[in-house]
Amino acid sequence: EVQLVESGGGLVKPGGSLRLSCAASGFKFTSFSMNWVRQAPGKGLEWVSSVSFSNNYKYYADSVRGRFTISRDNANNPLFLQMNSLRADDTAVYYCVRAGDGYVFDVWGQGTLVIVSS
Amino acid sequence: DIQMTQSPSTLSASVGDRVTITCRASQSISTWLAWYQQKPGKAPNLLIYRASTLHNGVPSRFSGSGSGTEFTLTISSLQPDDFATYYCLQYNSYSGTFGQGTKVAI
Repeated sequence: EVQLVESGGGLVKPGGSLRLSCAASGFKFTSFSMNWVRQAPGKGLEWVSSVSFSNNYKYYADSVRGRFTISRDNANNPLFLQMNSLRADDTAVYYCVRAGDGYVFDVWGQGTLVIVSS
Repeated sequence: DIQMTQSPSTLSASVGDRVTITCRASQSISTWLAWYQQKPGKAPNLLIYRASTLHNGVPSRFSGSGSGTEFTLTISSLQPDDFATYYCLQYNSYSGTFGQGTKVAI
């Protein structure tokens, strides 16, 4: 079964850091670009970041550029999102998402909740 | 950056109704558009990609059309399981932009 499982969410103070992880199974992780997408409570979906299958190309939404870093460990399959200088408006459920054939966002994890609050 | 404008934001409908949701792109995106269904507390599920291709296992009452800047998702006969929020997504090899969402309510 194709599956993505996120971990690492939690409560963090403004200005703090958190690292999210995503474990993939059921498909060849090294063949796919990957994304992080977030959803603030009661709000819509927002693309956050993507990384190419080779880990050579990384892209960020304007709202997180310079604060978040996406990476992947192709040897051991996790996808990561290092989040620094966190703000209250970063509070959201963060989803790990596969970019499938044609780069469509086809497989989603269950999400991990990040709460930024003092 | 490409902006996606989805309408309506809320739609009231009954079982058996034909429902149409529209998404407009701020510039041409060819057919690089997908539609998702999301239920409360769950991750989105892919319904349609490349504007009109039904994803595996999605009921045939769902259909998508359009190209360039205007796209529609149609549910031909609304079923009880279809009451949810729907999002369009413009995607490419490096990013994506979602529409604001349409809540389909009873």
